Amino acid sequence: DTEVTQTPKHLVMGMTNKKSLKCEQHMGHRAMYWYKQKAKKPPELMFVYSYEKLSINESVPSRFSPECPNSSLLNLHLHALQPEDSALYLCASSHEIQAFYGYTFGSGTRLTVV
Amino acid sequence: KNQVEQSPQSLIILEGKNCTLQCNYTVSPFSNLRWYKQDTGRGPVSLTIMTFSENTKSNGRYTATLDADTKQSSLHITASQLSDSASYICVVSATGGNNRLAFGKGNQVVVIP
Repeated sequence: DTEVTQTPKHLVMGMTNKKSLKCEQHMGHRAMYWYKQKAKKPPELMFVYSYEKLSINESVPSRFSPECPNSSLLNLHLHALQPEDSALYLCASSHEIQAFYGYTFGSGTRLTVV
Repeated sequence: KNQVEQSPQSLIILEGKNCTLQCNYTVSPFSNLRWYKQDTGRGPVSLTIMTFSENTKSNGRYTATLDADTKQSSLHITASQLSDSASYICVVSATGGNNRLAFGKGNQVVVIP
């Protein structure tokens, strides 16, 4: 298995809703990442987990809450989002936090906040 | 200033023709460079990855070159197909640190029949 799987592929939520994005990999990677990508822009790093511990938080608003239940799973909990949070949310993983080889992106979750 | 600059920003080419995309970077100390293809609304898919010692690498109709001295890379697409329409992103990583990647803004390629 050489994939990073993200669910759901599409999500529409209201500003008062609570939802979660899920990411899963079975490549034995110990670093996992969340990115946010707006249209026609490069991905922007949000969070980095290394060995299931939060390593980097790029000053992301608290309405985004990451969670790493185990080495294969990464969640992003969403609450009280704003319309400007609508974007493509990408998960990625790599062997280690400093390893570029094996860096693999998921296919993303297209989030629309209404 | 962005550490990775790509040109041209967008490109329209006829099906069957070749094209070359450029990537200039200032990331230092350089570790490796990867070209990704990203279809609209989908995640980036890796095409090639090159380290300091590699100056060319191919993946089917895609050929990437790297000149680490001038800090330039190119991606050449041969005999373009309609399915090549996508954004091509150049991503550079530095040695050490915590694996923050420097992304270019992408080359938007549209292949027309």
